[in-house]
Amino acid sequence: AQRVTQPEKLLSVFKGAPVELKCNYSYSGSPELFWYVQYSRQRLQLLLRHISRESIKGFTADLNKGETSFHLKKPFAQEEDSAMYYCARLLTGGFKTIFGAGTRLFVKA
Amino acid sequence: DVKVTQSSRYLVKRTGEKVFLECVQDMDHENMFWYRQDPGLGLRLIYFSYDVKMKEKGDIPEGYSVSREKKERFSLILESASTNQTSMYLCASSTHRDTTETQYFGPGTRLLVL
Repeated sequence: AQRVTQPEKLLSVFKGAPVELKCNYSYSGSPELFWYVQYSRQRLQLLLRHISRESIKGFTADLNKGETSFHLKKPFAQEEDSAMYYCARLLTGGFKTIFGAGTRLFVKA
Repeated sequence: DVKVTQSSRYLVKRTGEKVFLECVQDMDHENMFWYRQDPGLGLRLIYFSYDVKMKEKGDIPEGYSVSREKKERFSLILESASTNQTSMYLCASSTHRDTTETQYFGPGTRLLVL
């Protein structure tokens, strides 16, 4: 079965420190991968997708097929980055997206 | 800008009641989804629909049904609510016109079943 694994439920870092949220996926072809974010009292929304190779709010994520990972990184965390982050994958054939269990990022002042 | 709305932000129901959760999107998206969001479990897909009157079971369909009579509206029905259905329910939509099928979410409905 195709799976997305986020091993950390909670990640706490100090403001200005680097942050890496881990995501691993089960191998199957060429995955379409995403990071979604949910800030406090806001709806879940797309942060970035690997196909776009973009940097959003200072975050980047690189697909590593050898390690089947798609870790989210930011060199200097900000307090406003505190949120729930979900790694997700579009299943082969389209339609369905599966989500990891989520990682809550807490950035301390 | 895609807008997905859900009929209620908070609901309190009693065990055994029939519960309707409504979701409406205004961007002509073909696909619509219902998830429940629980701490430590992430988002779990209940049902999805890729066209009017079409529906497919997700990973946890037991105890739920859905209705898609119009393209913009997708309803989730709890036939007989139980306490283990207390959760946050998220509706989402997507379109094949976006090759990555990015999902757009509603604000969520927090359901408490007593």
